[in-house]
Amino acid sequence: SQQGEEDPQALSIQEGENATMNCSYKTSINNLQWYRQNSGRGLVHLILIRSNEREKHSGRLRVTLDTSKKSSSLLITASRAADTASYFCATGGSSNTGKLIFGQGTTLQVKP
Amino acid sequence: DAGVIQSPRHEVTEMGQEVTLRCKPISGHDYLFWYRQTMMRGLELLIYFNNNVPIDDSGMPEDRFSAKMPNASFSTLKIQPSEPRDSAVYFCASSLNSGRSYEQYFGPGTRLTVT
Repeated sequence: SQQGEEDPQALSIQEGENATMNCSYKTSINNLQWYRQNSGRGLVHLILIRSNEREKHSGRLRVTLDTSKKSSSLLITASRAADTASYFCATGGSSNTGKLIFGQGTTLQVKP
Repeated sequence: DAGVIQSPRHEVTEMGQEVTLRCKPISGHDYLFWYRQTMMRGLELLIYFNNNVPIDDSGMPEDRFSAKMPNASFSTLKIQPSEPRDSAVYFCASSLNSGRSYEQYFGPGTRLTVT
């Protein structure tokens, strides 16, 4: 079964607005990662946050992690049409096997 | 670096035929993963290798699926015999975990259609 549950499943916004996606998971983790998938392409790693971190930034991306609530959020600020894609959270287990469990993803559409 | 290379990019075959998907991971990476993606089931981990050794194949749907990694630069996923329900996009990914980087690098995928 999938570890991560993402919310919402689909999101449509105007260019320039912020987009927030949420991910919840069930078991203890070592790290949580976010990936982007453009239509017809492979997944691309965006950002990784470790279990002992609460917030991380990378350019227009901001990720938060709340291990007490077993949840994470990805914020994309000042969205662009090129941000249109599916976004997946993935969790790495506390046993550190290298394996990731992916959520079902959020489909983001940014309208120009 | 060329990234993860997968071949073929598209495969159309008839039910009952054998299908072999190929993957070349990023040089130096010690983990290799095979995933399957469908609209209904999302992204599923089929099997993964560490230093060419299969670690977890619990995601392999059934005995018709097999995967090998004969060396650090090559892996195959074979379906024999193929069925229409195997139609999906199959991704290979690799990562370097020895240095604790964890992030996975995905190939472009193989779109498999079984008629």
